[in-house]
Amino acid sequence: DSGVTQTPKHLITATGQRVTLRCSPRSGDLSVYWYQQSLDQGLQFLIQYYNGEERAKGNILERFSAQQFPDLHSELNLSSLELGDSALYFCASSLGTSGNIQYFGAGTRLSVL
Amino acid sequence: GENVEQHPSTLSVQEGDSAVIKCTYSDSASNYFPWYKQELGKRPQLIIDIRSNVGEKKDQRIAVTLNKTAKHFSLHITETQPEDSAVYFCAATDSNYQLIWGAGTKLIIKP
Repeated sequence: DSGVTQTPKHLITATGQRVTLRCSPRSGDLSVYWYQQSLDQGLQFLIQYYNGEERAKGNILERFSAQQFPDLHSELNLSSLELGDSALYFCASSLGTSGNIQYFGAGTRLSVL
Repeated sequence: GENVEQHPSTLSVQEGDSAVIKCTYSDSASNYFPWYKQELGKRPQLIIDIRSNVGEKKDQRIAVTLNKTAKHFSLHITETQPEDSAVYFCAATDSNYQLIWGAGTKLIIKP
């Protein structure tokens, strides 16, 4: 167990809908990262937050947004869902902003039907 | 910006043989190079990492080597076992100290 908690584990929804994925980082970690992994694909970095502030942005669609709350948990909001958004979404956390080990959660598997 | 290329995309080796996965990076300022292992349906987990001030690091059957001049680093797994079957990802930090990930290598251990 990495200490990073993601909920829900599975999510099934329809096209056009909106969902929220939740992540609680390891105790003491200030950075949260979100990744998208489509079937048999690599890790696509979406966005990073550090201590409540957006730190870095990757290939995140405009339909997606995220935030980190004062208690350091983070939420990833996906709206106007399309079939192609079906993927495994991972959250990771690290102590600082860079050059630190990232610990991954178990992921949320999103299926858009 | 930083680009990390990983080869091969798939590697099949006989159980007991060695496996080598290579990554190249473009940013000479990169200073942190982790390797993650992702078993089927599981989360990626760090297996070994190296910083730019050392050339090699070992942990039992796993080793990582770094050639800063050539801008490449490699993962070496000796005496491969069935449980080594997984996807392996390399990564390198860019000038903003963000991790840039390789595309992954699927390692298959043949019995």
